[in-house]
Amino acid sequence: KAGVTQTPRYLIKTRGQQVTLSCSPISGHRSVSWYQQTPGQGLQFLFEYFSETQRNKGNFPGRFSGRQFSNSRSEMNVSTLELGDSALYLCASSLRTSWNEQFFGPGTRLTVL
Amino acid sequence: QQPVQSPQAVILREGEDAVINCSSSKALYSVHWYRQKHGEAPVFLMILLKGGEQKGHEKISASFNEKKQQSSLYLTASQLSYSGTYFCGTAGRPFTGANSKLTFGKGITLSVRP
Repeated sequence: KAGVTQTPRYLIKTRGQQVTLSCSPISGHRSVSWYQQTPGQGLQFLFEYFSETQRNKGNFPGRFSGRQFSNSRSEMNVSTLELGDSALYLCASSLRTSWNEQFFGPGTRLTVL
Repeated sequence: QQPVQSPQAVILREGEDAVINCSSSKALYSVHWYRQKHGEAPVFLMILLKGGEQKGHEKISASFNEKKQQSSLYLTASQLSYSGTYFCGTAGRPFTGANSKLTFGKGITLSVRP
């Protein structure tokens, strides 16, 4: 069974640009969650999608958005990038909710210059 | 509100035991434990629910103390493979769909030396 995949693995952008990250969940998983991980801050929850609908949202500005497609694949978009957006962005999939066992992808390392 | 994990870091030798804690300022309903090895994705360990039993995963077990609003993870006879950062995620009420997000702590780095 293939795991969660994320593309791209690394990204370098400059301030003001926008970026789109992609996540393919494990087959059959309908819940996809996104997390931002920075040193010393742990896992900061961004949002969760289920059946193409955003079900939960963390405390991030509106520059962070996402969507989920009918095949459960998900994308995350960050507009008007700031230096503080540099982080590892992790995607996790689970059968029905993020409260079930979550399977994490390898992450996308975003660097904003 | 973000749970507080303690201690901040743990260094121990192979075979030693360790306890790491996850505390919340609010009532807890569920606690979710994950481990992340250096350079890898977090991996699920276990979930504990209010009123549930203590759980175990090989030589790693956990307890849930409702009165203290705290969960503790016990690592017995530690192995080199236990090294990593341990995160706890908490929720204060049963899952209802919307507005049911987990809040993770900052993590505890545990290093097992030979």
